[in-house]
Amino acid sequence: DSGVTQTPKHLITATGQRVTLRCSPRSGDLSVYWYQQSLDQGLQFLIQYYNGEERAKGNILERFSAQQFPDLHSELNLSSLELGDSALYFCASSVAGQGTNSPLHFGNGTRLTVT
Amino acid sequence: DQQVKQNSPSLSVQEGRISILNCDYTNSMFDYFLWYKKYPAEGPTFLISISSIKDKNEDGRFTVFLNKSAKHLSLHIVPSQPGDSAVYFCAARRMEYGNKLVFGAGTILRVKS
Repeated sequence: DSGVTQTPKHLITATGQRVTLRCSPRSGDLSVYWYQQSLDQGLQFLIQYYNGEERAKGNILERFSAQQFPDLHSELNLSSLELGDSALYFCASSVAGQGTNSPLHFGNGTRLTVT
Repeated sequence: DQQVKQNSPSLSVQEGRISILNCDYTNSMFDYFLWYKKYPAEGPTFLISISSIKDKNEDGRFTVFLNKSAKHLSLHIVPSQPGDSAVYFCAARRMEYGNKLVFGAGTILRVKS
């Protein structure tokens, strides 16, 4: 158990809809990362937050947005969903935002299926 | 632009033998490298890491080797066990870009008993 909690585990929705994925980081971790894993591909970095502030951005679509709340949990919002958004979405956390060699610890992911 | 590449989609090894998983990278500015293991229906689990100032790091049955001149790293598992069967991801970081990791596509390791 990594200590990172993601909900829900599975999500099935229709094209055009909007969903929210939730992540609670490990106790003491200030940084949260979101990754997308599409079929047979590696994990693609979407966005990072550190202590409530956006720290780094990857290839995140404009239809997607995220935030980190004062209690350090994070939410990833996906809107105007398309079939190609079907993927596993992982959240990870680490103690620091940068400057240290600390590994990321991953949750078990949310599997999103867009029909 | 795939900066971290794992060119072997899968690897099959006999129990007790050595498993060698390979990873190549293109960005010479990467300064920290990690290996993750992933079982089905679970998230990636951190396995072992190495800083760019080292060429080897060992943790029990797992050893990571880094060859900076070749931009290549490898993970050795000795001896391999059936429980090691999983997907292994190589990942790399460039410190000035924060702590985010760039991942390879993964290698499926199957250890046969």
